[in-house]
Amino acid sequence: DGGITQSPKYLFRKEGQNVTLSCEQNLNHDAMYWYRQDPGQGLRLIYYSQIVNDFQKGDIAEGYSVSREKKESFPLTVTSAQKNPTAFYLCASMQGAGTDTQYFGPGTRLTVL
Amino acid sequence: AQSVTQLDSHVSVSEGTPVLLRCNYSSSYSPSLFWYVQHPNKGLQLLLKYTSAATLVKGINGFEAEFKKSETSFHLTKPSAHMSDAAEYFCVVSLPNTGFQKLVFGTGTRLLVSP
Repeated sequence: DGGITQSPKYLFRKEGQNVTLSCEQNLNHDAMYWYRQDPGQGLRLIYYSQIVNDFQKGDIAEGYSVSREKKESFPLTVTSAQKNPTAFYLCASMQGAGTDTQYFGPGTRLTVL
Repeated sequence: AQSVTQLDSHVSVSEGTPVLLRCNYSSSYSPSLFWYVQHPNKGLQLLLKYTSAATLVKGINGFEAEFKKSETSFHLTKPSAHMSDAAEYFCVVSLPNTGFQKLVFGTGTRLLVSP
């Protein structure tokens, strides 16, 4: 099956710890995205990558970091600098640009204890 | 700046009755508009998209939306609601000419369907 996988589904973190969320796609898409979703709000863009070894900050990149060493993988690290990391995190990928469709993974729910 | 406003945070309907989810957009350019659906604790799934072709766009699961430039609206409709339609719906605009696709999301409308 082609698609996007995110792991883990649920993640608990103590304050002061860094955690890494996994995103893998086998759709052979060039572009990948990370979004954050909070209750009652739409999705907000954290980081995006249009090609391997290149990525750009989105609207709310502070306290997050990413890497894009392989086309199929785009992991997101939530660092201890992120002041309010509890949220639902969604990864997406897309083949082209413009009016193409972004395909979303099932998400990871991060809770800081 | 491009933005979307979803006029209702919650909509309640009975099974078998019509669904109307309202969305207004603001855009300096001819926009690309999308409707996505999200079931609880799941990712988003594309329902339909408008890309300057036909103004009436048909999507999956019987949904459709009409692009009305004069009203800057892109409302989502379905003739007859099903229990499985209960979910969160997002109206989304794509920013143009940025070299990559940047999506701007509305705040969502939760659709409740009662038996």
